[in-house]
Amino acid sequence: NAGVTQTPKFRILKIGQSMTLQCTQDMNHNYMYWYRQDPGMGLKLIYYSVGAGITDKGEVPNGYNVSRSTTEDFPLRLELAAPSQTSVYFCASSLSGDSYEQYFGPGTRLTVT
Amino acid sequence: DQQVKQNSPSLSVQEGRISILNCDYTNSMFDYFLWYKKYPAEGPTFLISISSIKDKNEDGRFTVFLNKSAKHLSLHIVPSQPGDSAVYFCAAGNSGNTPLVFGKGTRLSVIA
Repeated sequence: NAGVTQTPKFRILKIGQSMTLQCTQDMNHNYMYWYRQDPGMGLKLIYYSVGAGITDKGEVPNGYNVSRSTTEDFPLRLELAAPSQTSVYFCASSLSGDSYEQYFGPGTRLTVT
Repeated sequence: DQQVKQNSPSLSVQEGRISILNCDYTNSMFDYFLWYKKYPAEGPTFLISISSIKDKNEDGRFTVFLNKSAKHLSLHIVPSQPGDSAVYFCAAGNSGNTPLVFGKGTRLSVIA
């Protein structure tokens, strides 16, 4: 099992560009999450999904979009990148909402200049 | 409004001694609490958890204590080892399936 994988590991974007952060899990988990971590801050939830075809906003969804067409994949789309989106992005998954143990990917470090 | 607070950004402990990391929460609906450990350039990994029906959970060198009346939990690491040096996040959730809320983390340095 690879667990949760994320690509790319690093990316530099110019203001106004768009990109998709990829996230895949091979544990057949129903729940998937996207977090961002700013320096000195905790993890803030951007979006989450309770299953294929279902997504919901977290604490900081503005400027992002997600889709969940399969159980395995949960891509995060940034449209019109802004410097405020410079952060480290983590994808995570869990078996269910009751199973609070979340498994995290290694993260994507994004810089917007 | 921070629902989960880790008021100590950093902690330094001698190898072999006890490390105590603290976490406070404000939402009385939280009934499940977790600690995650994070090394640089890696994602957080689950360490230990406790539900609100318990006041203590132990796993090897790691023990989590929960004081519901004070809305406080702590993670004890005994004995501390240099490999324990990492950032530790406290997280809380409730059975209503709302997503976890994370604290800002405490950076633990264990000095040999």
